[in-house]
Amino acid sequence: QSVLTQPPSVSGAPGQRVTISCTGSSSNIGAGYDIHWYQQLPGTAPKLLIYSNNNRPSGVPDRFSGSKSGTSASLAITGLQAEDEADYYCQSYDSSLSGSVFGTGTQVSVL
Amino acid sequence: QVQLVESGGGVVQPGRSLRLSCVGSRFSFSSYDIHWVRQAPGKGLEWVALISNDGRTAYYADSVKGHFTISRDNSKNTLYLHMNTLGPEDTAMYYCARGVFHDYTCYFDSWGQGTLVTVSS
Repeated sequence: QSVLTQPPSVSGAPGQRVTISCTGSSSNIGAGYDIHWYQQLPGTAPKLLIYSNNNRPSGVPDRFSGSKSGTSASLAITGLQAEDEADYYCQSYDSSLSGSVFGTGTQVSVL
Repeated sequence: QVQLVESGGGVVQPGRSLRLSCVGSRFSFSSYDIHWVRQAPGKGLEWVALISNDGRTAYYADSVKGHFTISRDNSKNTLYLHMNTLGPEDTAMYYCARGVFHDYTCYFDSWGQGTLVTVSS
């Protein structure tokens, strides 16, 4: 059972904006630990999408952005494209578990 | 470009052991902490274990503590995961991932392609 909760799925039409929430607690996001996001295309390994709340690695389009507030974080995808269909995971550190933790994952569908 | 290549997966009977390997290349392997992350079929990602860059410190998820052992040989640029007394719940794709430590957390900036472990009689 993950300590970071995400909606199972979100969907949007091409060009629209979608957001994915990641809800934690006082032992992870609420304690000030950074949130990181990963994209997993079907049948492939995860890929780092956003690190340290709102930073994009080289090569990641600026359509992807992250934010964090209190015990929650969000990933926004603007100008949704067909190639964005994938599973998305948030990740942080949990002091109670003394280890890294992933969110439950969200499947993004482009209508 | 950083490369991580896992191997050693396969079908194994319950109660048996297995050793996974992960070879790193095109970066300074001994300078980075390396992690194992697994994903059961159709499920989400689960962090499994971490070993420090010098191999002196290791941390484990509660689900594998006392059951799995992470180690590394920096002279061979290789990471290992020794898995003992395997059960059906250990069936998963196992990924190695390079860890980058920043502001009290780490993130995984490079991943291998994974190696599949199936525990079945």
